[in-house]
Amino acid sequence: SQELEQSPQSLIVQEGKNLTINCTSSKTLYGLYWYKQKYGEGLIFLMMLQKGGEEKSHEKITAKLDEKKQQSSLHITASQPSHAGIYLCGATHPGNNNDMRFGAGTRLTVKP
Amino acid sequence: AAGVIQSPRHLIKEKRETATLKCYPIPRHDTVYWYQQGPGQDPQFLISFYEKMQSDKGSIPDRFSAQQFSDYHSELNMSSLELGDSALYFCASSLKHGNYEQYFGPGTRLTVT
Repeated sequence: SQELEQSPQSLIVQEGKNLTINCTSSKTLYGLYWYKQKYGEGLIFLMMLQKGGEEKSHEKITAKLDEKKQQSSLHITASQPSHAGIYLCGATHPGNNNDMRFGAGTRLTVKP
Repeated sequence: AAGVIQSPRHLIKEKRETATLKCYPIPRHDTVYWYQQGPGQDPQFLISFYEKMQSDKGSIPDRFSAQQFSDYHSELNMSSLELGDSALYFCASSLKHGNYEQYFGPGTRLTVT
């Protein structure tokens, strides 16, 4: 089973709508990473969260890590077609800092 | 800004052949990670190197080996290739060993026929 559960698996939204993607770990996280991937291409680093309760924003994307450091959400405001792609959450765990495990990804489609 | 460079971008090999993938990290990054992403799957961690020494080992098959050189570039050597080795192979680099942002390269798409 996945150590990191992402939901939803896929998401279709109308341009301009807000959306949220969730990532839940079965273990306490050390670091939580969000990446975006276009089909068959490399992973683009979005944000990294380390502290419980931490929140970071970049342009219209906001990511939060809960206090217990087991759940993160990625929120996109006023989505655009350029936001389309696969969003992956990755996590490292205490004592295993270099072995990043990924969730299965959320495929986002934004309809113009 | 300079990014992680991987070569080749595409590679086609036959079963039982060998392949070598190369990764050039972002300048000043001393840690390199290798991941394998099968079709429709999430990336799986294979192995990492810090300062030319292996630092962590994931699900890397015994048929594969890797090393990091004095200029911090890394090579993933794959022998006795199998059809199931067909995948995207990503290299990532980070500034320091430990919990730092990993920046990914564009990947090498390996097809084994």
